[in-house]
Amino acid sequence: DTGVSQDPRHKITKRGQNVTFRCDPISEHNRLYWYRQTLGQGPEFLTYFQNEAQLEKSRLLSDRFSAERPKGSFSTLEIQRTEQGDSAMYLCASSPGGQLSSYEQYFGPGTRLTVT
Amino acid sequence: AQKVTQAQTEISVVEKEDVTLDCVYETRDTTYYLFWYKQPPSGELVFLIRRNSFDEQNEISGRYSWNFQKSTSSFNFTITASQVVDSAVYFCALRETQGGSEKLVFGKGMKLTVNP
Repeated sequence: DTGVSQDPRHKITKRGQNVTFRCDPISEHNRLYWYRQTLGQGPEFLTYFQNEAQLEKSRLLSDRFSAERPKGSFSTLEIQRTEQGDSAMYLCASSPGGQLSSYEQYFGPGTRLTVT
Repeated sequence: AQKVTQAQTEISVVEKEDVTLDCVYETRDTTYYLFWYKQPPSGELVFLIRRNSFDEQNEISGRYSWNFQKSTSSFNFTITASQVVDSAVYFCALRETQGGSEKLVFGKGMKLTVNP
């Protein structure tokens, strides 16, 4: 069973550009989460999907951020008009659901975004 | 509001020493979950343990042990006979259950360096 994968692993972009990250969860995990981690801090929750439905969004998720999970499998996180403050590691996690749901979230390797 | 405090930011020990990582949490929920994750230099968060609020039994897994005390809102983690491979940043996290939120709230992490 492969783990959570994220692409790209690193992204350098200029301020004002749009970027999109992809996350592939562990197969058959119906819950998918996005977090952001800045240097020296713990991950901060951004948003969460159960299947294709986006059920929870943090106040951190400004209008420039949008996340989708169109078929309930992979997810994308887009940042429009990037700002230097968006520089961070973007982490994706997944968790199984249903009657045997477990509450552990399994994390991917992250996408490190640098906005210049 | 939920909050996780890891007062220690960085600890350095010599191999074979025991080390305890402190975690104090705040929540108004009566049912909640506590977690420890390890983030090695490679960056990927690795799940270590989950504890629910009704289970105060301490747990031991190899060189790792956890001490959950609701009376002091603490969930401390001890590594016995530390090894160089234990060098990582360790995060404590809390998940409340009221309101159906699935987000994890992380502490700021504690960097452990184990020197040979």
